[in-house]
Amino acid sequence: SQKIEQNSEALNIQEGKTATLTCNYTNYSPAYLQWYRQDPGRGPVFLLLIRENEKEKRKERLKVTFDTTLKQSLFHITASQPADSATYLCALPNQGGKLIFGQGTELSVKP
Amino acid sequence: GAVVSQHPSWVICKSGTSVKIECRSLDFQATTMFWYRQFPKQSLMLMATSNEGSKATYEQGVEKDKFLINHASLTLSTLTVTSAHPEDSSFYICSARGEMGYGYTFGSGTRLTVV
Repeated sequence: SQKIEQNSEALNIQEGKTATLTCNYTNYSPAYLQWYRQDPGRGPVFLLLIRENEKEKRKERLKVTFDTTLKQSLFHITASQPADSATYLCALPNQGGKLIFGQGTELSVKP
Repeated sequence: GAVVSQHPSWVICKSGTSVKIECRSLDFQATTMFWYRQFPKQSLMLMATSNEGSKATYEQGVEKDKFLINHASLTLSTLTVTSAHPEDSSFYICSARGEMGYGYTFGSGTRLTVV
């Protein structure tokens, strides 16, 4: 079955730097991949969706890449701010079309 | 944008009692909603898919008699945890699928504590 791997260790960076988070999957390549932000005690909030035929997607300070050869997606936040501190989740559809999630990477941006 | 309202945001109940969690789509119709459970520092685990007007479909290992799902209208799905036990304590989150090209819209979650 499909497995999603995100770096379980928290990522600590300085304000203004670029944060890069990694999402790897192990089995078939999905038709699309999504990234969500989750704050403590809250539900996830959708950020970006990238399709298998798209190499890169941008939205304001966010950039997502999708490499089906490496079975990997990278999520970048440029000019990071303390308000960007949260857990970021990678998600993709399983073979039944249902959305499955990685365990998330906690990002902490220090002023 | 699409909004999903989930209620209550937290609940404490005694072991053996039942708890109902509501999930409403506020400005759109959701024929399908999804229920997830999340333990601390862990991923969201899909429990079941709620279908308006028909029975819910449950993921492997999820007891359908314990987690009752009702999707009686296009804007409301409910999850009832029956005969709750301390091991059912978790964060329960509902979601609805967005428009094509967009992600799922999630409720704010319900923290259930069974004592």
